[in-house]
Amino acid sequence: NAGVTQTPKFQVLKTGQSMTLQCAQDMNHEYMSWYRQDPGMGLRLIHYSVGAGITDQGEVPNGYNVSRSTTEDFPLRLLSAAPSQTSVYFCASTPEGWETQYFGPGTRLLVL
Amino acid sequence: GENVEQHPSTLSVQEGDSAVIKCTYSDSASNYFPWYKQELGKGPQLIIDIRSNVGEKKDQRIAVTLNKTAKHFSLHITETQPEDSAVYFCAASGGGSYIPTFGRGTSLIVHP
Repeated sequence: NAGVTQTPKFQVLKTGQSMTLQCAQDMNHEYMSWYRQDPGMGLRLIHYSVGAGITDQGEVPNGYNVSRSTTEDFPLRLLSAAPSQTSVYFCASTPEGWETQYFGPGTRLLVL
Repeated sequence: GENVEQHPSTLSVQEGDSAVIKCTYSDSASNYFPWYKQELGKGPQLIIDIRSNVGEKKDQRIAVTLNKTAKHFSLHITETQPEDSAVYFCAASGGGSYIPTFGRGTSLIVHP
């Protein structure tokens, strides 16, 4: 199993550009989530999904959009990038409930 | 909602010393407390967890203790080694019922 994969590993955007961060898992996990990690702020939840077709907002959802058409994939879309979205983004999956989470390797995003 | 405080933010120890990281939580309904280790450039990985019906759990050099009355839990690492150097996150959740809240992280540095 590859576990949780994320692409790209690193991305530079200009303010106002849009992009999609990809996340895929091959463990057949129902729950998936997106976090951003900023210095001194820990891991903050952006959006999450408890199954295909079901998504909901986390703590910091503004400026981001998600969809979950399959169990495996959970892409995160930045609609119009802003410098405040410069961060490291992690995708995670969980078999069920909110116990052990399996994190991907992260995407480092720089918005100029 | 749940609030998790984690201290210290940085911890520097000599190889062979013990390290202790403490977290407090606010919601008495929380019943699952995982600890994650994040090595440089990687995603967080679960290293140990504890449920509210247990007071202590050990796994080789690491242990976690939980005080439900005081609403705090701690990670203990004995005989630290340079490879223990990483960022450690605590979290609290209601198991299958609600989304975990993470602490802000502790950067542990083990000097050879």
